Amino acid sequence: DGGITQSPKYLFRKEGQNVTLSCEQNLNHDAMYWYRQDPGQGLRLIYYSQIVNDFQKGDIAEGYSVSREKKESFPLTVTSAQKNPTAFYLCASSPRGAGGTDTQYFGPGTRLTVL
Amino acid sequence: GQQLNQSPQSMFIQEGEDVSMNCTSSSIFNTWLWYKQDPGEGPVLLIALYKAGELTSNGRLTAQFGITRKDSFLNISASIPSDVGIYFCAGQSLGSQGNLIFGKGTKLSVKP
Repeated sequence: DGGITQSPKYLFRKEGQNVTLSCEQNLNHDAMYWYRQDPGQGLRLIYYSQIVNDFQKGDIAEGYSVSREKKESFPLTVTSAQKNPTAFYLCASSPRGAGGTDTQYFGPGTRLTVL
Repeated sequence: GQQLNQSPQSMFIQEGEDVSMNCTSSSIFNTWLWYKQDPGEGPVLLIALYKAGELTSNGRLTAQFGITRKDSFLNISASIPSDVGIYFCAGQSLGSQGNLIFGKGTKLSVKP
């Protein structure tokens, strides 16, 4: 089945620890995105990547880092520098990254709770 | 910066009622997307609109791309219980490198 997978579904970490969230897609999409969702809020863009080995900061990149070593994978690390990391994290991908009109498809999300 | 205003924030429906929600932006968009999100899940794409004036249906759902390119609406006809959830609009402007701006969502609930 084609799609976007995120793992794990639920993640618990102690304050001060870095944690990496996984996102994999087998849709052969060029672009991948990470969003953060807080209760009652829309989605806010953390990082995006239009092509392998390249990524750009979104609106709320502070305290996060990413890598894009493979087309199908775009892991997100939540570092200890992120002041309020507890949130629902969504990964998305789209067929074409560079400008133009495009449509993003989302994974099932990872709920991160920092204790 | 660009802003999307989605309304209403929440609404209660009775089965069989028609539902309408809309989004307006402070700038021109060249794409409007409508998603539905169930609790604890990722948003699922419902309808994508790419041209001003475009009217597109997906079953009981109908969405339109406003002529001014600054608004869009979503209608749900003859609502059923599984329509409950949060509906998000998202827009994309020229030069945005494919990035979307999201509304804050319309929460649809069933009247008790």
